[in-house]
Amino acid sequence: DSGVTQTPKHLITATGQRVTLRCSPRSGDLSVYWYQQSLDQGLQFLIQYYNGEERAKGNILERFSAQQFPDLHSELNLSSLELGDSALYFCASSATGQATEAFFGQGTRLTVV
Amino acid sequence: AQSVTQLDSQVPVFEEAPVELRCNYSSSVSVYLFWYVQYPNQGLQLLLKYLSGSTLVKGINGFEAEFNKSQTSFHLRKPSVHISDTAEYFCAVIEGTGGFKTIFGAGTRLFVKA
Repeated sequence: DSGVTQTPKHLITATGQRVTLRCSPRSGDLSVYWYQQSLDQGLQFLIQYYNGEERAKGNILERFSAQQFPDLHSELNLSSLELGDSALYFCASSATGQATEAFFGQGTRLTVV
Repeated sequence: AQSVTQLDSQVPVFEEAPVELRCNYSSSVSVYLFWYVQYPNQGLQLLLKYLSGSTLVKGINGFEAEFNKSQTSFHLRKPSVHISDTAEYFCAVIEGTGGFKTIFGAGTRLFVKA
């Protein structure tokens, strides 16, 4: 158990809908990272937050957004969902802003039908 | 541009045989290197990492990897595999200048046969 908690574990929704994925980092970790794992794109970095502020951005679509709250949990919002958004979404956390010390959660499997 | 290439998409091997999973990277700056394992329906677990120092890095479950700067490689090895090592293995890189973004390879599926 990495200490990073993601909810829900599974999510099935229809095209055009909006969903929110939640991540609780390890106790004391200030940084949260979001990744998408799909069959065609592999594992891709989406976005990083550090102590409530956006720190780095990767291949995140404009339809996707994220935030980190004062209690340090983070949410990834996916809107206008398309079939191609079906993937495993991972959250990771680290004590500092350095991804070298990140621990990964179990992921949320999103299926868009 | 920074990239990671895992040279084999699948590696079948018999139990108790040695295995090497190959990883090459490209970067114009110094890098940190990682190997992660993903078991079915699970998250990513860190096997080992190279940040600095000795180029031979030992990790969990009997795995080790060697950083070769001249060949820009970070191959993962295990002298004797078990059925339980069957999983997907990901090589990853973080550029030393930023430390924010992890770039993953496409993964290598290790399949250990009895």
